[in-house]
Amino acid sequence: KAGVTQTPRYLIKTRGQQVTLSCSPISGHRSVSWYQQTPGQGLQFLFEYFSETQRNKGNFPGRFSGRQFSNSRSEMNVSTLELGDSALYLCASSPGQFDATNEKLFFGSGTQLSVL
Amino acid sequence: LAKTTQPISMDSYEGQEVNITCSHNNIATNDYITWYQQFPSQGPRFIIQGYKTKVTNEVASLFIPADRKSSTLSLPRVSLSDTAVYYCLVGRPFSSGSARQLTFGSGTQLTVLP
Repeated sequence: KAGVTQTPRYLIKTRGQQVTLSCSPISGHRSVSWYQQTPGQGLQFLFEYFSETQRNKGNFPGRFSGRQFSNSRSEMNVSTLELGDSALYLCASSPGQFDATNEKLFFGSGTQLSVL
Repeated sequence: LAKTTQPISMDSYEGQEVNITCSHNNIATNDYITWYQQFPSQGPRFIIQGYKTKVTNEVASLFIPADRKSSTLSLPRVSLSDTAVYYCLVGRPFSSGSARQLTFGSGTQLTVLP
């Protein structure tokens, strides 16, 4: 099976712009979650989507949004970029089973976003 | 959410056994514990997962005491290629009526020396 694919791999934007990142999960996985990773804050949960519905959201401002399509592919959008948004954005997929007693996350390699 | 605490860094030599402990005092009954490994410029990779007692796979062991307030990842006979950041994740599974709850530790930078 192909792994989780994130595009683009690198992105450079300027303050005030917006950006859209894409994530293709492993085939058959219905859950996609997004994370922001910075040297200072570590791995922080952004949000999770399951069957096109957001089912959990981390503590980030409304400038961060996402969506999931019927084929489980997901996008996240950051509007009005700030310097502090520079980070590695990771996406992870999982089967997303209800009432699963355990579940592994499969991560992509991430999109490195630099805001100048 | 369960808060997790890990050592920031650890050094070891090739061939030694390494134990990394994660504290999660507020772990809930339904939470499970997962460890991930991350190399620079890559996403984290699953190592091992457990709920209680001991779990072993081909690359690591996970020890969880009865009170489940901590867990220890054990890497036998480390090599230079095990140099990475190791994350402890405490997670509550998704179930109808509640969202998945995931808390990552701050990560432990393991450096294996020759």
